[in-house]
Parts: sequence; structure tokens; C-alpha cells
Amino acid sequence: RKEVEQDPGPFNVPEGATVAFNCTYSNSASQSFFWYRQDCRKEPKLLMSVYSSGNEDGRFTAQLNRASQYISLLIRDSKLSDSATYLCVVPRGGSARQLTFGSGTQLTVLP
Amino acid sequence: EPEVTQTPSHQVTQMGQEVILRCVPISNHLYFYWYRQILGQKVEFLVSFYNNEISEKSEIFDDQFSVERPDGSNFTLKIRSTKLEDSAMYFCASSDLRQASSYEQYFGPGTRLTVT
Repeated sequence: RKEVEQDPGPFNVPEGATVAFNCTYSNSASQSFFWYRQDCRKEPKLLMSVYSSGNEDGRFTAQLNRASQYISLLIRDSKLSDSATYLCVVPRGGSARQLTFGSGTQLTVLP
Repeated sequence: EPEVTQTPSHQVTQMGQEVILRCVPISNHLYFYWYRQILGQKVEFLVSFYNNEISEKSEIFDDQFSVERPDGSNFTLKIRSTKLEDSAMYFCASSDLRQASSYEQYFGPGTRLTVT
């Protein structure tokens, strides 16, 4: 299994739709997980951190399944401004210092 | 809201030249990082730095790379003799790591390095 593997996408959804992205990771020792968003040619921006079974922030919900080594990100009521690439990020080994990035899932929200 | 800043935003250099990329991390953060992203590829870890020394480095971070904290605010990445394959976006990041929520790393806007 790759260190971090994501749905490649692209996902093209209409405004208001609900969309979910999946991510699997190989390092069972990881304790923290992150979703970042990256706009074209910009820096990754932290969207959500996941330290236990899940996290919710407004329209965004992240869920963690440690047994299956699987993380998901759900976006409800998607907006045009949600169009971006979503990066699943997992620290390498037990260290929180070296982040391993997935290839990203591209989302386009259509009017 | 405090943020990581980087200069320059774009650097063009000739193969074999030395470049220095500069970063100002968030002021109360203790860990600093460099990542790179080749166009169309994943973000890749290069190095982490804490207490004035390298904490971890990847296999990419070979002898042509070095990092330094020359003063209390700046954090630099030097590439001694640039190669064409060093062309990429270089991101600086910082994190606090003193509290439960502080594994989070915050990224600067990046320096686009073009080696010709």
C-alpha cells in the first residue's frame, strides 16, 4: 500500500451537492491526520485536523477509521469557492514533523 | 492572523548557480520546514529544523542543500549548485508543537524556482 493514497478525481459537482473524498494510509502508527486544500499554484492551506475518530467544522466533516487505515472528507452544500485540490496528509512514522502528502483530489463545483 | 512569509515569490537562475530562498516563520513557532512541489506532482518533505539544527531530512535533501536560521526571524534554504530538476515551488512551513493542536503546519506562499 502507498503511504498515502487518494481518489484521483477529478470530481465535477453542481453547487449544493454533497461530495466525499477518500484516503488510505499505510502507517498504522500515525496519530494525527490532516486535510489541506490547495488552489492552483498556491500553498497548501490547512482545512481540518483529525486526532480522534473524526472532526466537523461547518459544512466539512472528516472521519477516521483506524482499523481500516482510512480517512474521508465530506463536503456538504458545496460552493463555487470550494473548487480546489484537496490533499490528504499523514505524518510519517511517529513523528509529527515530516508530513506525507497524497496526490490530491481535484474538485470543481459548477454553477 | 500571523502567517509565514517567503521571498522572493519567483527566482530564475542558471544551472550551477547558488540560490538562497528566504522565509519568515510565524513568530512563536519553534519548528520550521521546507517542502517542494514539482509542477504537477505531490508536495514533498525536504527538511525540518528545531533548536538551530536539522531535526529530520529526506533523501531529496542531499549535500547541495543546506538550511540556516541566521537571526531570530529568518529561515533560509540554500541550494549550492542548482540543477534543472531543482525547478519547483519551494514552500516553507512552521509549527508550534507545544500543545495538543500544534502538530499543524502552516505554509508560506512559496517561492517558484526556475532553473534554466
